[in-house]
Amino acid sequence: GAVVSQHPSRVICKSGTSVKIECRSLDFQATTMFWYRQFPKQSLMLMATSNEGSKATYEQGVEKDKFLINHASLTLSTLTVTSAHPEDSSFYICSARTQGSNTEAFFGQGTRLTVV
Amino acid sequence: LAKTTQPISMDSYEGQEVNITCSHNNIATNDYITWYQQFPSQGPRFIIQGYKTKVTNEVASLFIPADRKSSTLSLPRVSLSDTAVYYCLVRKTGGFKTIFGAGTRLFVKA
Repeated sequence: GAVVSQHPSRVICKSGTSVKIECRSLDFQATTMFWYRQFPKQSLMLMATSNEGSKATYEQGVEKDKFLINHASLTLSTLTVTSAHPEDSSFYICSARTQGSNTEAFFGQGTRLTVV
Repeated sequence: LAKTTQPISMDSYEGQEVNITCSHNNIATNDYITWYQQFPSQGPRFIIQGYKTKVTNEVASLFIPADRKSSTLSLPRVSLSDTAVYYCLVRKTGGFKTIFGAGTRLFVKA
């Protein structure tokens, strides 16, 4: 199946700094990518939908100025957590779908963010 | 988006067949049913997808009754490595977002 790669897989940053997470579709073009956040023992929560060449659509309650999303090409979307705080520590996962009417979503391996 | 309901957790033993049922009473005509598996600290992995009746692949089977208000994921002869969270999702075709429910935590014991 298609491959989605996230980088980094794990990052520790100091409170107040910003962190960028990359999501790449390696062997297909993804006009739409999705960003999720997952806290321990909980399900994935959709944060935003990233569309190539346009602004991301954020879910209710997600601060767009704190979680900056850029989808500059058909194979790359980035999520930047700005001015990170300990409560932003979480597992961030991206997914992408191939173009087509009935395609499954492929997920990255996730990024474990720890803010100290 | 159709809401899904699954058991919170299930226990099984190695070698047994495991059936996880998901309810999706308000599924729409153009909704598909998709199941994902997630191990700790990893992204979800696609298992199987179907629209009606039965679908089978190398890892699982998916049974969908005629009214499509529920579906059952069947894992034949589970092993310890099948311990994971299994998510049932209902979504429309195309580029629509994928919303996850609570999932079912499967524990496979020796």
